[in-house]
Amino acid sequence: NAGVTQTPKFRVLKTGQSMTLLCAQDMNHEYMYWYRQDPGMGLRLIHYSVGEGTTAKGEVPDGYNVSRLKKQNFLLGLESAAPSQTSVYFCASRQSTVEGQPQHFGDGTRLSIL
Amino acid sequence: SQQGEEDPQALSIQEGENATMNCSYKTSINNLQWYRQNSGRGLVHLILIRSNEREKHSGRLRVTLDTSKKSSSLLITASRAADTASYFCATSQGAQKLVFGQGTRLTINP
Repeated sequence: NAGVTQTPKFRVLKTGQSMTLLCAQDMNHEYMYWYRQDPGMGLRLIHYSVGEGTTAKGEVPDGYNVSRLKKQNFLLGLESAAPSQTSVYFCASRQSTVEGQPQHFGDGTRLSIL
Repeated sequence: SQQGEEDPQALSIQEGENATMNCSYKTSINNLQWYRQNSGRGLVHLILIRSNEREKHSGRLRVTLDTSKKSSSLLITASRAADTASYFCATSQGAQKLVFGQGTRLTINP
């Protein structure tokens, strides 16, 4: 049971390049989330999804787009990467709509924008 | 904006000692969760405490919640080197989202 898998684990981009981060979960969870983690800032929610075909904005959505075409996958896209998007990106999933259910995290994608 | 704020930001203790971390939050909550993050890894859920609970235990973990002070504490007893990690509190923002604090970085010295 892999849980939440993020691809790739590391990536270096040049300013203006685009890329897609992939998150896959094998737990049949309804909810999925994308966070970024910066030093001293904790985790900040970028976008999230409450089910297949749905997406919603989080706290810091600007510069990112997401898609949830399949229940098990949640994609995070950077259309035109900027140095301010250098960060560690975490994907998480949660089982149900019941408040308080724990989130399950992947091990992150470390992204550097030069 | 961050809902939870942990205190201290960093804590270094000797193996075998107890470690206490605090979390303060701003608005009313239904529950509060604590997570651990080992270096280079994702967050792992430790424990949840609901607003109608004052204290909860799980192994060497003890969590308290004081809704009148809008604060929670996480106590790790008899610390081990493997407890070295960052610890985050998180509060629910509605049924869909969590808001995480900035974390406490705990170092256990052998």
